[in-house]
Amino acid sequence: QKEVEQDPGPLSVPEGAIVSLNCTYSNSAFQYFMWYRQYSRKGPELLMYTYSSGNKEDGRFTAQVDKSSKYISLFIRDSQPSDSATYLCAMSSFNTDKLIFGTGTRLQVFP
Amino acid sequence: SAVISQKPSRDICQRGTSLTIQCQVDSQVTMMFWYRQQPGQSLTLIATANQGSEATYESGFVIDKFPISRPNLTFSTLTVSNMSPEDSSIYLCSVITGSSEKLFFGSGTQLSVL
Repeated sequence: QKEVEQDPGPLSVPEGAIVSLNCTYSNSAFQYFMWYRQYSRKGPELLMYTYSSGNKEDGRFTAQVDKSSKYISLFIRDSQPSDSATYLCAMSSFNTDKLIFGTGTRLQVFP
Repeated sequence: SAVISQKPSRDICQRGTSLTIQCQVDSQVTMMFWYRQQPGQSLTLIATANQGSEATYESGFVIDKFPISRPNLTFSTLTVSNMSPEDSSIYLCSVITGSSEKLFFGSGTQLSVL
């Protein structure tokens, strides 16, 4: 079993939809949680960063962490075609220099 | 965040040859890393590039195959040696800046080995 599981998609939604992206993990010691967005032929771009449990909101993006269920989510409201990318979850235990990544979910938002 | 430049952005190489990838950061950073991203697989840490000393390699990666240099706090190179088609991948330089505890990535090098 992988430490971090992420549905590879692709996930195809119409413009304006609410998107939910998820990861599950097995290591209860994880306490740093991140979401990266990666456009084609580009490096991953840090989108959201949370420590421990709870919610964090930034514009149209909301990150949720449920440590009791070992489950994290990224919600995108009012999705736009420019949101079309691969979204990677990442997490670590004691610091952020040894991140464990999910395989990424490819999102397509069509006009 | 830091501006991280990688060169080359892509290359096609012959089996048995070597390619050196450069990573330049616009500010001094304490921690630099090299990752590999294979199709359909998770980003995998190859090694931590240590300034002035030998890199620290993760399990499954060895110095003879992936020699790394880091002569100063803004620059590092990764060499992929004696390449085979299995080395076809995206190679990414990444850094943690200051006390941000956040990992930032360069734009990557797309390597294809024939």
